[in-house]
Amino acid sequence: TQLLEQSPQFLSIQEGENLTVYCNSSSVFSSLQWYRQEPGEGPVLLVTVVTGGEVKKLKRLTFQFGDARKDSSLHITAAQPGDTGLYLCAGSVRRDFGNEKLTFGTGTRLTIIP
Amino acid sequence: DVKVTQSSRYLVKRTGEKVFLECVQDMDHENMFWYRQDPGLGLRLIYFSYDVKMKEKGDIPEGYSVSREKKERFSLILESASTNQTSMYLCASSMGGKRQPQHFGDGTRLSIL
Repeated sequence: TQLLEQSPQFLSIQEGENLTVYCNSSSVFSSLQWYRQEPGEGPVLLVTVVTGGEVKKLKRLTFQFGDARKDSSLHITAAQPGDTGLYLCAGSVRRDFGNEKLTFGTGTRLTIIP
Repeated sequence: DVKVTQSSRYLVKRTGEKVFLECVQDMDHENMFWYRQDPGLGLRLIYFSYDVKMKEKGDIPEGYSVSREKKERFSLILESASTNQTSMYLCASSMGGKRQPQHFGDGTRLSIL
């Protein structure tokens, strides 16, 4: 079973600060997804990165896939209270018939203090 | 929008009971998944299904079984509930193929007393 470790597990910062969340594994993934989960709801997809070294931007969020496709990072610029939530990375492993299975990371609980 | 509906938000059962968690999706997705979520452990895959009547074990299938008699419905069964199965259970669905996002229900918080 592939393992995905996220760090830090908890992060609490002031509004306006920058932060980075890391997602690391010893396994190679065909792609990697980032989800955000808010209290009382299921996770919602933010982005999918596919190519080693790929960088994707979603407004103030920047996602990077490591060159070897074993790790990823999420950088938030000028954090806002609306960014508060549980961030989960998920690595994709190919299965039969073109389907894929996700292995989820351990999660980073982010709190932005107004 | 994709809608994944889990039958209960909260459920309390007793040790040894047989427990059914139901999940229905309305987007004709081929794939369905059951996860449990525990603090510090992220989401762990229990079982998944790529087609009707088809099921595969995930990473932690012990003590669980599943049923997929219709494409839109995926049921998780705790054969004989134990206290270590107290957790948040999340159902998800996705289209078949590569890089498809998984769409999640809002979860069932199950307590086994």
